[in-house]
Amino acid sequence: DQQVKQNSPSLSVQEGRISILNCDYTNSMFDYFLWYKKYPAEGPTFLISISSIKDKNEDGRFTVFLNKSAKHLSLHIVPSQPGDSAVYFCAASARTGNQFYFGTGTSLTVIP
Amino acid sequence: EAGVVQSPRYKIIEKKQPVAFWCNPISGHNTLYWYLQNLGQGPELLIRYENEEAVDDSQLPKDRFSAERLKGVDSTLKIQPAELGDSAVYLCASSQGGLNTEAFFGQGTRLTVV
Repeated sequence: DQQVKQNSPSLSVQEGRISILNCDYTNSMFDYFLWYKKYPAEGPTFLISISSIKDKNEDGRFTVFLNKSAKHLSLHIVPSQPGDSAVYFCAASARTGNQFYFGTGTSLTVIP
Repeated sequence: EAGVVQSPRYKIIEKKQPVAFWCNPISGHNTLYWYLQNLGQGPELLIRYENEEAVDDSQLPKDRFSAERLKGVDSTLKIQPAELGDSAVYLCASSQGGLNTEAFFGQGTRLTVV
């Protein structure tokens, strides 16, 4: 049973515009959420995280929003750049749990 | 500071042969993870170590997979014998502590079983 879901396998955005990647989760015990970026033939690279005590975390062009009532989080990239083209994974964990649970990823293409 | 180092990067073996992967985590990171990633999927946990203790190996197929983390630093993951379905990317990650800190991944080992 997939506890973290990324329902959009792919997304294309024009350079300079906003990219919005979405993630839904089912386990209400999750209290820490992360986004990873993955280029081909490389391991996932940590991008940004958010604790459940917050609803927004910002780091440069990247902002993560958390809506606990909807069990939904999103990653906003503004402005999008061609180098942002990669697969983005959402992950979640619970302090009382054992592991990070990952979504299936969204492939972002930023068109120059 | 060096990141998580894994070797080899690529491995091709025949089915029924043994194979081993090695991981050196970031210095000072007590938590080490081995993940399996199939094509088009997110990483799935195989085993998690806190120092040298395996605290979660419930998803490790113990009939053919084994892992160790001697002295709580480097770790090896072994498959014996390998099956065709084991073809995947094996990722190692480490974190400073617990599940509320970010994990840093190595580049992974892509295993192909023929």
